[in-house]
Amino acid sequence: DSGVTQTPKHLITATGQRVTLRCSPRSGDLSVYWYQQSLDQGLQFLIQYYNGEERAKGNILERFSAQQFPDLHSELNLSSLELGDSALYFCASSVHPSGANVLTFGAGSRLTVL
Amino acid sequence: QQPVQSPQAVILREGEDAVINCSSSKALYSVHWYRQKHGEAPVFLMILLKGGEQKGHEKISASFNEKKQQSSLYLTASQLSYSGTYFCGTHTTDSWGKFQFGAGTQVVVTP
Repeated sequence: DSGVTQTPKHLITATGQRVTLRCSPRSGDLSVYWYQQSLDQGLQFLIQYYNGEERAKGNILERFSAQQFPDLHSELNLSSLELGDSALYFCASSVHPSGANVLTFGAGSRLTVL
Repeated sequence: QQPVQSPQAVILREGEDAVINCSSSKALYSVHWYRQKHGEAPVFLMILLKGGEQKGHEKISASFNEKKQQSSLYLTASQLSYSGTYFCGTHTTDSWGKFQFGAGTQVVVTP
């Protein structure tokens, strides 16, 4: 157990729907990162939060949004889902996003859009 | 901007060596190496910071050439457990918090 908790582990939904993925960072970590990994592809950086504030944005679609709450858990909201959104979504956390801190990954949420 | 990894894949016999390269077009603050087994989360291997240091983890070591913005991961005397996809992740000096990964290098170690 890495200490980073992601729920749900698996999610199957239909096109056009909206889902929310949740992430609880490791105890003591203030920074949360979201990544998308499509089948046998690399890790695409979506967005990063530090202590409740958005600090960096990657290739995140406008249909996707995220936030980090005061208790430091984070949620990634995916709306108007398309078949191509099917992927493994990873959350990672670190103490600080300075680049000198290790990222610890959760087990991922596997989203299947039918 | 994502770092560029090479090669895309490598097949080794147990005991053989391999090198995986990671390069960036931007000035790097740090390079991280992770290994991912199929269907699992990436697991941290090592981190290299500005200064050209070299680190090791069992028989896996890495170097960071700050001038060339390149890092290399060395798999020495490979074991079956080394199979997986290796990703380098980079923080550039101009993008605080934007931690990007390369496309990955798939390593298969055969008996």
